[in-house]
Amino acid sequence: GAGVSQSPSNKVTEKGKDVELRCDPISGHTALYWYRQSLGQGLEFLIYFQGNSAPDKSGLPSDRFSAERTGGSVSTLTIQRTQQEDSAVYLCASSLVGQGRVYEQYFGPGTRLTVT
Amino acid sequence: SQELEQSPQSLIVQEGKNLTINCTSSKTLYGLYWYKQKYGEGLIFLMMLQKGGEEKSHEKITAKLDEKKQQSSLHITASQPSHAGIYLCGASRAFGTGTRLTIIP
Repeated sequence: GAGVSQSPSNKVTEKGKDVELRCDPISGHTALYWYRQSLGQGLEFLIYFQGNSAPDKSGLPSDRFSAERTGGSVSTLTIQRTQQEDSAVYLCASSLVGQGRVYEQYFGPGTRLTVT
Repeated sequence: SQELEQSPQSLIVQEGKNLTINCTSSKTLYGLYWYKQKYGEGLIFLMMLQKGGEEKSHEKITAKLDEKKQQSSLHITASQPSHAGIYLCGASRAFGTGTRLTIIP
């Protein structure tokens, strides 16, 4: 596809339910990132994938949050037993990876999660 | 971990005026991005700087990475309503909290 896509675009769930958020990165992008943006706040880093492995999970706020990536492509972010404070826009980004240089991250449109 | 601080947090500028947004890093920058986010929309990549002293321009927006590579500035010349939005600087997996720019006609 032309860009990073995410689904669903909006998700309303009841407190305590599990949710899955999906990210389709740009084809050929080895790196994939998940961020969270709460209302009026900046981007909060959650997890980074290089290929199918996640060398940096330092941003996951609790053990209710997990993510996986398969085939070096699609990634799923799962939030178990959702809480109201999980309400935010979840953004996915992908980029190339190279030795000794930084590549720009391309962002998807985000999934707006509302926990009631 | 790297932290990025942006200033100002918000900026209200009359159309046609110039403005500058700053981004200061707690660590040496080995690449810095600038993004723009329209209210309620996704992030749009503006430009990336990698070398100390590097300066890039796109239309009326110029960004520079200072020689010591711990600070970047984004300058908009002759601001227009289309420049309104939230500007974010980012480095690796860290992002600043953003600068909200409002343009008054």
